[in-house]
Amino acid sequence: GAGVSQSPSNKVTEKGKDVELRCDPISGHTALYWYRQSLGQGLEFLIYFQGNSAPDKSGLPSDRFSAERTGGSVSTLTIQRTQQEDSAVYLCASSSNPGLASDTQYFGPGTRLTVL
Amino acid sequence: GNSVTQMEGPVTLSEEAFLTINCTYTATGYPSLFWYVQYPGEGLQLLLKATKADDKGSNKGFEATYRKETTSFHLEKGSVQVSDSAVYFCALSSNSGYALNFGKGTSLLVTP
Repeated sequence: GAGVSQSPSNKVTEKGKDVELRCDPISGHTALYWYRQSLGQGLEFLIYFQGNSAPDKSGLPSDRFSAERTGGSVSTLTIQRTQQEDSAVYLCASSSNPGLASDTQYFGPGTRLTVL
Repeated sequence: GNSVTQMEGPVTLSEEAFLTINCTYTATGYPSLFWYVQYPGEGLQLLLKATKADDKGSNKGFEATYRKETTSFHLEKGSVQVSDSAVYFCALSSNSGYALNFGKGTSLLVTP
């Protein structure tokens, strides 16, 4: 596609419910990243995919967070038993040359998650 | 570990004023450095980047030079416009990993 797309753009959920956030990267980009943007913490890295595997999950804040990527394309970030501190904007990015100095990550518009 | 420090905002300037947003970094090896911009209601967009020492990134009248001796990547623009009002993020990508490390962001408001 023309750019990284994410859905939904906004999600309001009740504490304790599970949510799924979707990311559709730029066509042909092998690398996909999830970040979280919150007022208190700024922009934090969550997880990196190369193809369908995730060599770096170091930023996932707890075992309630998981992500998968299928077909080397679409990725889903799942948050189980949501907590109020999970409220944030979840950003997805993709790139074509991960690990190279020339690589550039392109970001989607984000999903704003509000946990009541 | 890697980290980025950028000046606190908000920064308020009059149109046509000179802009500097300071950014310093701590990293192992030879990182690539980036400035991203987030306009109101929009996603993060790459503004400019530099991949090695003394490189200058430039775009839309903005410039930043990769200074290894001072571990800095300050963003400058000679004459800001109202349309430059946004939040600016400095970031680095180390050569030992894939994640971007971001600064906290600097909010810029340009008034007519």
